[in-house]
Amino acid sequence: KAGVTQTPRYLIKTRGQQVTLSCSPISGHRSVSWYQQTPGQGLQFLFEYFSETQRNKGNFPGRFSGRQFSNSRSEMNVSTLELGDSALYLCASRRRGGLFDEQYFGPGTRLTVT
Amino acid sequence: AQSVTQLDSHVSVSEGTPVLLRCNYSSSYSPSLFWYVQHPNKGLQLLLKYTSAATLVKGINGFEAEFKKSETSFHLTKPSAHMSDAAEYFCVVSVLRESNAGGTSYGKLTFGQGTILTVHP
Repeated sequence: KAGVTQTPRYLIKTRGQQVTLSCSPISGHRSVSWYQQTPGQGLQFLFEYFSETQRNKGNFPGRFSGRQFSNSRSEMNVSTLELGDSALYLCASRRRGGLFDEQYFGPGTRLTVT
Repeated sequence: AQSVTQLDSHVSVSEGTPVLLRCNYSSSYSPSLFWYVQHPNKGLQLLLKYTSAATLVKGINGFEAEFKKSETSFHLTKPSAHMSDAAEYFCVVSVLRESNAGGTSYGKLTFGQGTILTVHP
């Protein structure tokens, strides 16, 4: 079974631009979560989607948004990029939304903002 | 609110010696606990998870962790380190919280700051 895939793997953008990252979950998984990883802040939760609905959102500004499609694929968008948005963005999927359902992570998208 | 504290930012061991990575958690509700490993320039891989079925949890690659509710700890151990174990390890907690879409959700994982494990030949 194929794992979580994320595209693109690497991205370089300039300040003020916007970016869209894509995540394809494991087949049959309905929940997708997004995380930002930086050396200073570590791994921080962005949001979670389940059945096309946002279930949870972390403490990020409104410039960060996401959506999920009927096939469970998800995208996240960052508008008006800032230098501090440079990070590894990880997507994770899981089958349902239960307490003990582990999340499976993709390889991440490395975003560099110049 | 839940939180996770990994007590060591760096741990260094010799190949063949035991590994101990310490984790304490704080949660108002019964948590689900996980350990993930991240190799350089790779995504996160699940090592093991605590599901309340047993306090001693066995994972992949010879790792195991013991859930101690009285100590609010979930330390990760391995009897004998291998060079390939060198990586960053994250202790993670997931708890029930209200969903902004109504109902509840377990989708938010709270990560510890990570422990970098170095294995010397």
